[in-house]
Amino acid sequence: NAGVTQTPKFQVLKTGQSMTLQCAQDMNHNSMYWYRQDPGMGLRLIYYSASEGTTDKGEVPNGYNVSRLNKREFSLRLESAAPSQTSVYFCASRGYSDEQYFGPGTRLTVT
Amino acid sequence: KQEVTQIPAALSVPEGENLVLNCSFTDSAIYNLQWFRQDPGKGLTSLLLIQSSQREQTSGRLNASLDKSSGRSTLYIAASQPGDSATYLCAVADKLIFGTGTRLQVFP
Repeated sequence: NAGVTQTPKFQVLKTGQSMTLQCAQDMNHNSMYWYRQDPGMGLRLIYYSASEGTTDKGEVPNGYNVSRLNKREFSLRLESAAPSQTSVYFCASRGYSDEQYFGPGTRLTVT
Repeated sequence: KQEVTQIPAALSVPEGENLVLNCSFTDSAIYNLQWFRQDPGKGLTSLLLIQSSQREQTSGRLNASLDKSSGRSTLYIAASQPGDSATYLCAVADKLIFGTGTRLQVFP
């Protein structure tokens, strides 16, 4: 099992460009999450999906959209990137044990 | 609004010491509490999950306790090793609210 995988690992964007961060899990988990991690701020929830076909906003959703493509995949889209979105993005999934499992992260820089 | 605080922010200890990391939260109505480890430039690795009905969980040299009434959890690391050096994060659920972590360095 690969667990939770994320692509890409690194990305540099110019202000105003768009991109999609991909996340997939092979643990048959219902719930999936997107977080961002910034120095001094800890991890903050952007969006989550409690089950296939549903998505909900977290603490910091502005500037992002998500798609729960199927049970395995949960993508995060930046429509018009801003320097304030420079961060490390983590995807996670949660199974029946309630334990959350995290991917390796995507380091995004917006110039 | 739930707030999670971790003290100390950083800790440096010699190898072999037993140590305690603290996590406090403002709203005792939590679903569960999870402790994670994060190595520099890496993702988060789950260490222990304590359900709201439990008081502690153990895994190897790690023991985590939970006192909901006082809004506190502690992570006890026995006989620390240099390989334990990392940032330790606690988070309360169900949608995880994270503390800012304790950066631990264990020196030989």
